[in-house]
Amino acid sequence: ETGVTQTPRHLVMGMTNKKSLKCEQHLGHNAMYWYKQSAKKPLELMFVYNFKEQTENNSVPSRFSPECPNSSHLFLHLHTLQPEDSALYLCASTRTSGGAGTDTQYFGPGTRLTVL
Amino acid sequence: AQSVTQLDSHVSVSEGTPVLLRCNYSSSYSPSLFWYVQHPNKGLQLLLKYTSAATLVKGINGFEAEFKKSETSFHLTKPSAHMSDAAEYFCVVSDRLSGSARQLTFGSGTQLTVLP
Repeated sequence: ETGVTQTPRHLVMGMTNKKSLKCEQHLGHNAMYWYKQSAKKPLELMFVYNFKEQTENNSVPSRFSPECPNSSHLFLHLHTLQPEDSALYLCASTRTSGGAGTDTQYFGPGTRLTVL
Repeated sequence: AQSVTQLDSHVSVSEGTPVLLRCNYSSSYSPSLFWYVQHPNKGLQLLLKYTSAATLVKGINGFEAEFKKSETSFHLTKPSAHMSDAAEYFCVVSDRLSGSARQLTFGSGTQLTVLP
């Protein structure tokens, strides 16, 4: 276990549904990330939060809405998704530093999302 | 801009024989480099990371990687493959985002098959 949990592990939803993905980290990290992993494509960074502030939105459609109420929790709210949004959604966290050292990201197990 | 190229999408080896997974990178400055492994239906697990210290990096489960700046390579090796090594492997380069958070750029992955 990496100390990063994600729920649910599997989600099937229709295009008109609203659902949320949850990520929680127990590592005392301050930065959290959402990634999308589609078949045959490299991982795509979606959002970054650092000390609860969103610092990156990687041109993600507005049907994906992130929320970071504190440094330990991260949500991804989903509404009116498309079938091409079906993918594995991974959450990661890290402790950032001001210097040039590495900031290893620790990943959760992911939520497998299927949009019908 | 940074990028990662994993030269083989699939590698197949026999149990007990050496493993070589190839990775080339490009980065605008001295990068941090990682190898992650993903088993089926699981999140990403860190195998090892290069932090500008020793160029030969040892990781978990007998894996190691050598940073070669002149060749811009960071190949992953293991002397003797085990059946449990069958998984997908990702080479990753790290760069700095706005603020102090880092962005990871992932390669497209190499699927390792281990034959009995």
